[in-house]
Amino acid sequence: GEDVEQSLFLSVREGDSSVINCTYTDSSSTYLYWYKQEPGAGLQLLTYIFSNMDMKQDQRLTVLLNKKDKHLSLRIADTQTGDSAIYFCAVYGGATNKLIFGTGTLLAVQP
Amino acid sequence: ETGVTQTPRHLVMGMTNKKSLKCEQHLGHNAMYWYKQSAKKPLELMFVYSLEERVENNSVPSRFSPECPNSSHLFLHLHTLQPEDSALYLCASSQERGTDTQYFGPGTRLTVL
Repeated sequence: GEDVEQSLFLSVREGDSSVINCTYTDSSSTYLYWYKQEPGAGLQLLTYIFSNMDMKQDQRLTVLLNKKDKHLSLRIADTQTGDSAIYFCAVYGGATNKLIFGTGTLLAVQP
Repeated sequence: ETGVTQTPRHLVMGMTNKKSLKCEQHLGHNAMYWYKQSAKKPLELMFVYSLEERVENNSVPSRFSPECPNSSHLFLHLHTLQPEDSALYLCASSQERGTDTQYFGPGTRLTVL
């Protein structure tokens, strides 16, 4: 089946930039999302990008999409302790007609 | 974001109990979803409803029974669960089924003893 992969853990210092990476297998993916999950909470939509875009910026968040390599990244500028959470990449697959999630990347921000 | 609410937030039940999870969305959406989130596993899509009609059932055991009485409410009825069913159950909604963005509720943390 279709697959979405993420690294499990990322640790950064407060004030640094964080880059969370995601790779996917469905070349017909149309919409790609980043969600944030804080402890004990549901998934909060952060941002999304259409497959016909290479980049999208929204305040401290920058999403980069490399369709050729099927690689998506989320950059958080000036990372704060409040950014500590699990970040999920999710890809809407044309082949599956479903939203496929990665296993999530735990971002730990050190003060 | 309080557009999607879920109750209860926490539930502990024995294997012989019957309980129900409730989801309500205040966004005017037509599609609603149940997901299961277990530790160290990707989110698993369980059920999809579009305009109150079940359109997808992903090989979920019959001890989970969904109900969608109207486009704003979604239930998950539980009976004779197993300990491995312990997980966070997340409800989501979207304007239409398909590529529309899904908005999630806070989840119900279920523990089966």
